[in-house]
Amino acid sequence: DGGITQSPKYLFRKEGQNVTLSCEQNLNHDAMYWYRQDPGQGLRLIYYSQIVNDFQKGDIAEGYSVSREKKESFPLTVTSAQKNPTAFYLCASSIAEVDEQFFGPGTRLTVL
Amino acid sequence: GQNIDQPTEMTATEGAIVQINCTYQTSGFNGLFWYQQHAGEAPTFLSYNVLDGLEEKGRFSSFLSRSKGYSYLLLKELQMKDSASYLCAVLDSNYQLIWGAGTKLIIKP
Repeated sequence: DGGITQSPKYLFRKEGQNVTLSCEQNLNHDAMYWYRQDPGQGLRLIYYSQIVNDFQKGDIAEGYSVSREKKESFPLTVTSAQKNPTAFYLCASSIAEVDEQFFGPGTRLTVL
Repeated sequence: GQNIDQPTEMTATEGAIVQINCTYQTSGFNGLFWYQQHAGEAPTFLSYNVLDGLEEKGRFSSFLSRSKGYSYLLLKELQMKDSASYLCAVLDSNYQLIWGAGTKLIIKP
C-alpha cells in the first residue's frame, strides 16, 4: 500500500533539545511539505521541497531545518531556537505543487 | 495580505444538509481545495475547484465563484461520521497553498 508515514505519533522532549521528526512516502511524489497546526489556526507551512536536494522556506521556517537527500524522505528537525515548538506536525506530499496533497498521520510534539 | 475566512463552528442534524462557506482574498488564484480532518488525524482530500461552478462527488459538492472570491462545500444526508473539521485552502499565484482555520462541524442525532 502506498502512503506517507510519520513517526513517532507522540513525542516528548525537554526544552533546549533538538528533535527530528521523520517523514517517508512511497507514492513516488516529487513534492513534499511540512506543516504545523495549532488549535484554532490553519495549517502553516514550515518548509517544502519540490525535488531531491532542494527545499525552500515556508512562512514559519525559523527554528526548523530540513533535508531532502532521497525522494522518499523529508525529515524535519525542530531546534532549540524554535520558541514555541509544542504543536501537531503534519508532513504531506504531492505529485507536483498544483496537485492535491496527501498527508501523513502527524506527530504531536510536546516540549516540557 | 492573504486571507481565507470560514465559520469557526457549525451544528447540523443527522440526515440534513449543511453548507460550509469559504471566502478568500489571495494574490492570484490557481484552484481551491476542500479537506476533511477528523480530530487528531490528518486532513484528507475532498474536492478541487479551479473553474466556476459546482462539482459533485457523492454526498459532497463544492461550488466556486472566482469573481466573488467564494466557495462552499455542501454535505447532504449527513451522517454522524461527518463530524469533523472542514478546511478550505487556496493555491495562490506562487502555487503556495493558503489554508483557512477550518470549520468544525458537529452532527447531532
